[in-house]
Amino acid sequence: AQTVTQSQPEMSVQEAETVTLSCTYDTSENNYYLFWYKQPPSRQMILVIRQEAYKQQNATENRFSVNFQKAAKSFSLKISDSQLGDTAMYFCAFMRTSYDKVIFGPGTSLSVIP
Amino acid sequence: GAVVSQHPSWVICKSGTSVKIECRSLDFQATTMFWYRQFPKQSLMLMATSNEGSKATYEQGVEKDKFLINHASLTLSTLTVTSAHPEDSSFYICSARDRSMSEQFFGPGTRLTVL
Repeated sequence: AQTVTQSQPEMSVQEAETVTLSCTYDTSENNYYLFWYKQPPSRQMILVIRQEAYKQQNATENRFSVNFQKAAKSFSLKISDSQLGDTAMYFCAFMRTSYDKVIFGPGTSLSVIP
Repeated sequence: GAVVSQHPSWVICKSGTSVKIECRSLDFQATTMFWYRQFPKQSLMLMATSNEGSKATYEQGVEKDKFLINHASLTLSTLTVTSAHPEDSSFYICSARDRSMSEQFFGPGTRLTVL
C-alpha cells in the first residue's frame, strides 16, 4: 500500500524568506502523480503544484518549486519569498493513476511571520 | 480551474436525525467524486469513492449504512449522514474529477455539528 509521510508537523518562516517542506512516500509503482495542496484557514483545498513521476524536470509554479527525487521517493516543496498569505496547512499527496484515489500525508502547518 | 460547490456550508442538527450534504460540479462532468472527513488539525480521511451510476466504494472502517452516498448524475453526489450522533461532528469535503483529469477539484467543505 502507498503511504505519504510529512515529518514536520509545524514550521515557521520569516516573511520574504525561503522555506522547504519535506515529504516522502512509499510505492512500488513506476508511474504516478505527486501533489502539494494548501489548506488556508478557510479550509478550501488549493492545488499548489503537481509532478508526474515520468517527468524528470522538477515542477515550478511562480514562487513554488519542488525537488523530486524519484529514487529516494522524496518530494519536497520550496516556497520562495514567503508571504503572509502562505500561512496554511500544506499536504503532500500521492495518486497512483488518474483513475485512482489520492492519498494524503498528515500535513505541515506553516506560519509566515511578519 | 474547475469549480465544485457544496451545500450547505454549515449545518447543525439534533442527535438521531439525518443530514444530507450535496456536492456539485459546476462546469464539468464529474465521472468520479470523493468524500472526505477531516477532524481539526488533521489530514483528510477518504471515506468513499463514487462513480456516476454505480454504487460507492467505501474505505475500510467506514459504515456504509451510516454514510449513504449517491452519485446519480454527472454533476451531483450526495452524502447522507443517517441517525447522526455527536461523534459524527466533523468537516466533510467532497472532490470531483472526470476521466480526462489528472487532478481532482475540491468543494469548500461542510461543517457538521450534531448536538
